[in-house]
Amino acid sequence: DAGVTQSPTHLIKTRGQQVTLRCSPKSGHDTVSWYQQALGQGPQFIFQYYEEEERQRGNFPDRFSGHQFPNYSSELNVNALLLGDSALYLCASSLELRGSSYNEQFFGPGTRLTVL
Amino acid sequence: EDKVVQSPLSLVVHEGDTVTLNCSYEVTNFRSLLWYKQEKKAPTFLFMLTSSGIEKKSGRLSSILDKKELFSILNITATQTGDSAVYLCALNRYTSGTYKYIFGTGTRLKVLA
Repeated sequence: DAGVTQSPTHLIKTRGQQVTLRCSPKSGHDTVSWYQQALGQGPQFIFQYYEEEERQRGNFPDRFSGHQFPNYSSELNVNALLLGDSALYLCASSLELRGSSYNEQFFGPGTRLTVL
Repeated sequence: EDKVVQSPLSLVVHEGDTVTLNCSYEVTNFRSLLWYKQEKKAPTFLFMLTSSGIEKKSGRLSSILDKKELFSILNITATQTGDSAVYLCALNRYTSGTYKYIFGTGTRLKVLA
């Protein structure tokens, strides 16, 4: 049973470029959340996708956008890259359990993005 | 505003020492508190706590939650070099019909041989 997978593992871009990161959730999971983790910081919530729609969003500008496909996989797009976008981008998947107080998230290995 | 504060930010100990990591929080619609260990990339799940005063234990690691004073501690006894990692505390809160995780900045633990 494959866990959460992400691609690519590393990426180097220059300022102003655009990037697309990909995530496949753990088998049986239907919800995908994206996080940005800067060096020395905890993960910061970007947004969450469920049923192919963005359900929640953190404090990130519109340059950050995403998509969820019918097979529950997801993409994170970042436009007009800034130096400050350099970070580890983590994807986490979970299963929507109505009324449950705990939806455990499983994290992928992340994509390390460097913006020069 | 929701807030998760971990202390200390970093810690260096020797093998065999016992460490206590702290996580205090201010969160509306609290559902659970989770501890993760992050060694290189993906955080790995350690504990989930929902009720006050009930200790969760796994080997040398244990954790407890105080919902009145709004904090949790993670204890590691007889530390080993393999315990060196960043330990993250996360709050699971319910908002707008869904669940959201808010992370602290983490405590970086280094265990020396």
